[in-house]
Amino acid sequence: DTEVTQTPKHLVMGMTNKKSLKCEQHMGHRAMYWYKQKAKKPPELMFVYSYEKLSINESVPSRFSPECPNSSLLNLHLHALQPEDSALYLCASSLRTGPPQHFGDGTRLSIL
Amino acid sequence: AQTVTQSQPEMSVQEAETVTLSCTYDTSENNYYLFWYKQPPSRQMILVIRQEAYKQQNATENRFSVNFQKAAKSFSLKISDSQLGDTAMYFCAYRREQGGKLIFGQGTELSVKP
Repeated sequence: DTEVTQTPKHLVMGMTNKKSLKCEQHMGHRAMYWYKQKAKKPPELMFVYSYEKLSINESVPSRFSPECPNSSLLNLHLHALQPEDSALYLCASSLRTGPPQHFGDGTRLSIL
Repeated sequence: AQTVTQSQPEMSVQEAETVTLSCTYDTSENNYYLFWYKQPPSRQMILVIRQEAYKQQNATENRFSVNFQKAAKSFSLKISDSQLGDTAMYFCAYRREQGGKLIFGQGTELSVKP
């Protein structure tokens, strides 16, 4: 069982849609991460939240908008995505800012 | 800039045998951390093992052990008594001691055959 829960597991959306990815952990971790991963490639860091504040934004396009409403929840809001944004989106957490310790199963996103 | 290189895109091993995955890195830092992550087909990334550069002793976690050669900037992963559940992508990663993001290698796809 994963300790970082991501929903949905799969998402298909059109380029004009607005959707959100959700990530939840109840381990008391204070750092949470979003990664994007293409098939058979390493994950690419997108955002890091530390103590509910955005600490790293890896120059991600504004069509991706992260949100951290509380210490257990991390969202990624999606709007006007492009076909090249199709990928696996992984959420991760760690006790404090450092290497991710626990990953979720990811959301497989397909943009039509 | 730091880089991590995994020179074996694919490897296979028979069940119960031992396999070694290679990883080299480039850095001018003296203190840093190295990691091996496993990603099975189920997609979840799992932290397998970590090594602090200031520690000379090689890290071990059950059937997984590393051979850390700091001078050579080499960090290989040995899997003993391979099991079918070890089939996965394996990523080597580096992080500076002062923080910053993980630098991943390109990965090695390991298949354990019955």
